[in-house]
Amino acid sequence: SQQGEEDPQALSIQEGENATMNCSYKTSINNLQWYRQNSGRGLVHLILIRSNEREKHSGRLRVTLDTSKKSSSLLITASRAADTASYFCALMEYGNKLVFGAGTILRVKS
Amino acid sequence: DVKVTQSSRYLVKRTGEKVFLECVQDMDHENMFWYRQDPGLGLRLIYFSYDVKMKEKGDIPEGYSVSREKKERFSLILESASTNQTSMYLCASSLHQAVPASFGAGTRLSVL
Repeated sequence: SQQGEEDPQALSIQEGENATMNCSYKTSINNLQWYRQNSGRGLVHLILIRSNEREKHSGRLRVTLDTSKKSSSLLITASRAADTASYFCALMEYGNKLVFGAGTILRVKS
Repeated sequence: DVKVTQSSRYLVKRTGEKVFLECVQDMDHENMFWYRQDPGLGLRLIYFSYDVKMKEKGDIPEGYSVSREKKERFSLILESASTNQTSMYLCASSLHQAVPASFGAGTRLSVL
């Protein structure tokens, strides 16, 4: 089985800057999902991108998927202190198996 | 909104005890998952189920078993709890593989 590998492990930026997190994987996927987890809380779904899609937007979030490179990126534009959280990519493999990466810890300083 | 409910937020058990973690979802979802979350390791899949009475091993099934007798309920069982099973346990469900999962609030288990 595979697990998404996320990069960087931690990221610290100033409010207003953009934050980019990357996720790489090894085998074919049905879709790739991004989640956010605030400290001590459960996971909240952000965006799902299907394997035949290349880019998706949701508010200040932009996700890209490059299946030839087996990688995805999550861009948060104009970051806010409230964006401070852990971000996880999750790979939906064929056969309904959903596996997560180790996550990126984002800290947005005000 | 889908509600995924885990029976306990915090649980303290002794080594060797049999432990049951319960998860219930209210939206008739096909898929249910159990993960454990440890610092620096992200969420690791223990078991998942895509239908009643069906179960599949995840990446770290050793020391755990599951039960899905009804569609809405997915139980995680630690047959003989050990200290290395101290962790945060998260349950999730999804309608099918093309839609995102909804998560419960988690159960923080301490095995002493």
